[in-house]
Amino acid sequence: AQTVTQSQPEMSVQEAETVTLSCTYDTSESDYYLFWYKQPPSRQMILVIRQEAYKQQNATENRFSVNFQKAAKSFSLKISDSQLGDAAMYFCAYRTTYGNKLVFGAGTILRVKS
Amino acid sequence: DAGVIQSPRHEVTEMGQEVTLRCKPISGHNSLFWYRQTMMRGLELLIYFNNNVPIDDSGMPEDRFSAKMPNASFSTLKIQPSEPRDSAVYFCASSLAALAGAEQFFGPGTRLTVL
Repeated sequence: AQTVTQSQPEMSVQEAETVTLSCTYDTSESDYYLFWYKQPPSRQMILVIRQEAYKQQNATENRFSVNFQKAAKSFSLKISDSQLGDAAMYFCAYRTTYGNKLVFGAGTILRVKS
Repeated sequence: DAGVIQSPRHEVTEMGQEVTLRCKPISGHNSLFWYRQTMMRGLELLIYFNNNVPIDDSGMPEDRFSAKMPNASFSTLKIQPSEPRDSAVYFCASSLAALAGAEQFFGPGTRLTVL
């Protein structure tokens, strides 16, 4: 079974600075999808970024980018120019190509200091 | 689009009572998921449906939990009888099954408290 590990329970960043959240996963599959979801205090789960494993190019969405290392099974999220609104719990998630199930990591609480 | 709709947003009940959580997926989506979020166990998938048919219910904790999807626009998650350890936030999500890597859109969640 696939597992997702987020080793940082909590991170802090100064406003306008850059922060990287770590995620590793375990799978025997060669094709799959990886996601980062954001959960602010409102509890709403919001998709931040998605990466297809067959694509070598790292995904980017505005201030959010990933560092996808397939061989190392690592999928970190970089947030540039951090804003107060980025404060939230961030979840890394894995999905197989042929299934619909998402497997989530335990989450990382990100605090943004002004 | 209104997004995924869940009701109620908050539910407080006493141990032993029946609880029914409701979900309306995004129109046109044919996959529906029920998740449970707790501090101890994080986000867990309980069950998911494709085209109203339950595909994987391996995450349903025990027989006290049941889920139905009578049509494409409505699903329920029922707990009978409820126990204090069932206290959690329950999320419903939907997606397009045919679209590889499709995003799952989450509802706002139902916070359940069992006293």
